[in-house]
Amino acid sequence: EIVMTQSPATLSMSPGERATLSCRASQSIDSNLAWYQQKPGQVVRLLMYGASTRATGIPARFSGSGSGTEFTLTISSLQSEDFAVYYCQHYNNWLWTFGQGTKVEIK
Amino acid sequence: QVQLVQSGAEVKKPGTSVKVSCKASGYTFSSYGISWVRQAPGQGLEWMGWISAYNGNTNYAPKFRGRVTITTDTSATTVNMELRSLRSDDTAVYYCARDYSNSHAGFLGLWGRGTLVTVSS
Repeated sequence: EIVMTQSPATLSMSPGERATLSCRASQSIDSNLAWYQQKPGQVVRLLMYGASTRATGIPARFSGSGSGTEFTLTISSLQSEDFAVYYCQHYNNWLWTFGQGTKVEIK
Repeated sequence: QVQLVQSGAEVKKPGTSVKVSCKASGYTFSSYGISWVRQAPGQGLEWMGWISAYNGNTNYAPKFRGRVTITTDTSATTVNMELRSLRSDDTAVYYCARDYSNSHAGFLGLWGRGTLVTVSS
């Protein structure tokens, strides 16, 4: 099983700041990585797939990068609606796994 | 409207089974796979398994293999997930989620709102 490790566990940021979230895979997953956003009381939302392709309707302030084992989700300028928990997930084989999540909270 | 509507909350005793349903609408049901993902209280997301709504092929996470069964009812455009031999640590919100792409499984672009399953004696 491929283990996905996210860091940091919590990111305390102010609106307008740039947020950088990391995700590491225990073995190479090429670019078979997705990012999701989860907010209380809301449906989980797909942000990114293929490591760097934004899903439909996702604002351009969200960007993804990386391949192999190291990946990054960047939010260029945090908006109030971006404070949430973010998960990475690999789909490189048929045993998909999620990271444990990074909570982006208001500083 | 493209959506997944899940069945209501359940309370079960240890050792019993639960069946959660996920009704799809607004798209061609057979064109997309559906996964089940669960989230224990205060914890992260955990992928349980996937089914092709086209041919019924399934893949299960090793942790759940032998204890979970995912099936489709094509006429009802519904996917069902049955989890057996329930334990207290199966208490969680269970989500169904549809593949984003009809040509590539793995990333989940449409999620249900979740079904709370509580396992308690």
